[in-house]
Amino acid sequence: DIVMTQSPGSLAVSLGERATISCKSSQDVLHNSDNKNYLTWYQQKPGQPPKLLIYWASTRQSGVPDRFSGSGSGTDFTLTISSLQAEDVAVYYCQQHYNAPYTFGQGTKLEI
Amino acid sequence: EVQLVESGGGLVQPGGSLRLSCAASGFTFSEYWMHWVRQAPGKGLAWVSRIRSDGSSTSYADSVKGRFTISRDNAKNTLYLQMNSLRAEDTAVYYCARDCTTACFIDYWGQGTLVTVSS
Repeated sequence: DIVMTQSPGSLAVSLGERATISCKSSQDVLHNSDNKNYLTWYQQKPGQPPKLLIYWASTRQSGVPDRFSGSGSGTDFTLTISSLQAEDVAVYYCQQHYNAPYTFGQGTKLEI
Repeated sequence: EVQLVESGGGLVQPGGSLRLSCAASGFTFSEYWMHWVRQAPGKGLAWVSRIRSDGSSTSYADSVKGRFTISRDNAKNTLYLQMNSLRAEDTAVYYCARDCTTACFIDYWGQGTLVTVSS
């Protein structure tokens, strides 16, 4: 199974500052057939289901503010929030869908 | 508008069974792979199972293999999760989720249904 490791486990950032979350996979999730990284980022607020933020490691879902960006390839990935807003307080998860079981990282709790 | 509505959760004793349902609407259900993902109280997300659009192939997390069965009825636009031999560690909110197409990322989630395994 592919193990997804996120860091840090929690993060406190001031309003307007940059937040950076790391996600590392135990195996390469770059698919040779289509040259896509099978890595997705989700945001989950308390009492709500997760929400899709970023797919294929760097493609922003429609409607997601452009302060959210994803980068990386292979085994090392990063989610960046360029200027933190109050509504960004949430837990963020990465997930690989390269191979079943489609494992998640343990989550990063983002606070102000 | 894509909608996924789970039902069937509740309190069950250890060793018991439960069947979850997920009613899908707002898209052509028969064209999409579907998933179940769970979240234990205060814990992170854990992928449980997925099924191909025509039901011909399924995959499971090791923790549920042999006890849970995912299935679907494309005529009823409904996804199911049959859960047998339930354990306390299966206590969680269970989310129904849609794959973006086939073997892809999850793009829509239901609100979830709570399963509590306790005597």
